[in-house]
Amino acid sequence: AQSVTQPDIHITVSEGASLELRCNYSYGATPYLFWYVQSPGQGLQLLLKYFSGDTLVQGIKGFEAEFKRSQSSFNLRKPSVHWSDAAEYFCAVALTGGGNKLTFGTGTQLKVEL
Amino acid sequence: GAVVSQHPSRVICKSGTSVKIECRSLDFQATTMFWYRQFPKQSLMLMATSNEGSKATYEQGVEKDKFLINHASLTLSTLTVTSAHPEDSSFYICSATGGAEFQETQYFGPGTRLLVL
Repeated sequence: AQSVTQPDIHITVSEGASLELRCNYSYGATPYLFWYVQSPGQGLQLLLKYFSGDTLVQGIKGFEAEFKRSQSSFNLRKPSVHWSDAAEYFCAVALTGGGNKLTFGTGTQLKVEL
Repeated sequence: GAVVSQHPSRVICKSGTSVKIECRSLDFQATTMFWYRQFPKQSLMLMATSNEGSKATYEQGVEKDKFLINHASLTLSTLTVTSAHPEDSSFYICSATGGAEFQETQYFGPGTRLLVL
């Protein structure tokens, strides 16, 4: 069965610092990959997705993610974090497309220090 | 595009009553909708998948008679928690996918906080 691992439960960064959130998946083929962000008490907002092609994908709010097949990873990055980025971040994978069942990681809680 | 709404955003009910939660896709036709449950500080747990016009597919361990899902139109799915009990208190989130443009990605609603007293 496919699985998604987000090794960091909590991350704290200073405002203006760079950010990298890790995501590893376990699956035989290359799944469809997603990053979502959830603010407290809210639903999930799609940050970016990877289906195929260029392995560096750009998303909203200045986020980007890089797919590395050899490492089965899809890490999320941002060069300069803003206080408003404090939220919960979920990595998710789908077998054949996001329209099918998503498997979520356990999430990484990001705290931004001013 | 790809806006999904949920109603109500928050509901409090007495134990034994039923509660209906609506999920609507506002600017696209959702051929498939998903219902998730999220416990505090945890990830999302898929409860069921519903396709327009057909019966929902429930995940293992989810009681289909307790969590009734109806997907009667391409823009509306409802989740009814029947005979709610305090252990049903949770955050319920729906997502939708469909149409040529949004087929491969799930778009999420803002969630409904249910508190059963």
